[in-house]
Amino acid sequence: ETGVTQSPTHLIKTRGQQVTLRCSSQSGHNTVSWYQQALGQGPQFIFQYYREEENGRGNFPPRFSGLQFPNYSSELNVNALELDDSALYLCASNSGGPGGVGDYEQYFGPGTRLTVT
Amino acid sequence: KQEVTQIPAALSVPEGENLVLNCSFTDSAIYNLQWFRQDPGKGLTSLLLIQSSQREQTSGRLNASLDKSSGRSTLYIAASQPGDSATYLCAVRPEGGSQGNLIFGKGTKLSVKP
Repeated sequence: ETGVTQSPTHLIKTRGQQVTLRCSSQSGHNTVSWYQQALGQGPQFIFQYYREEENGRGNFPPRFSGLQFPNYSSELNVNALELDDSALYLCASNSGGPGGVGDYEQYFGPGTRLTVT
Repeated sequence: KQEVTQIPAALSVPEGENLVLNCSFTDSAIYNLQWFRQDPGKGLTSLLLIQSSQREQTSGRLNASLDKSSGRSTLYIAASQPGDSATYLCAVRPEGGSQGNLIFGKGTKLSVKP
């Protein structure tokens, strides 16, 4: 148990719809990251939030957006869903700052399985 | 562009064997390397984190080494058990990247047979 929770566990959406996925970080972890993991692949970094501001982004289009709240919860929103968005979405939290040196383990949640039909 | 490769993609061993999983990365400018375990359809469990200045880390039956200059890491599992069956992923945090920006390999799927 990492103390990071995600909801829902599974979700089925139709192409073109919008979806919101939720994550609750460990208490005291000000940094949360979101990853997309397609079947048979390693996770790919979507973006990171530190104290409610985005401060790092991977190669994902703007229709992937996020929010982070003061109570250690966060959301990943995806607009205009495409079939290729079907994946396991993982959030991870750590106690580090936004960047720079320092080694902080990433603690991952169990993920949300999104299927787009 | 940093790329992480894991060999082999899959491995099947009898219970009790010692085994080595390999991870290589193309750019040695990293802050750290982390090994994870993932059970089918589940999230990731952190196993070991090696800082760029370290050569190895140990936890129980697991030992991870890092050769930053050659872009290689190995995860050694001693006396394997059926409960070790899972996919093992390695990830690097590139220098200049944010804390959460990890670059992952595709993983090695390990099966330990009783």
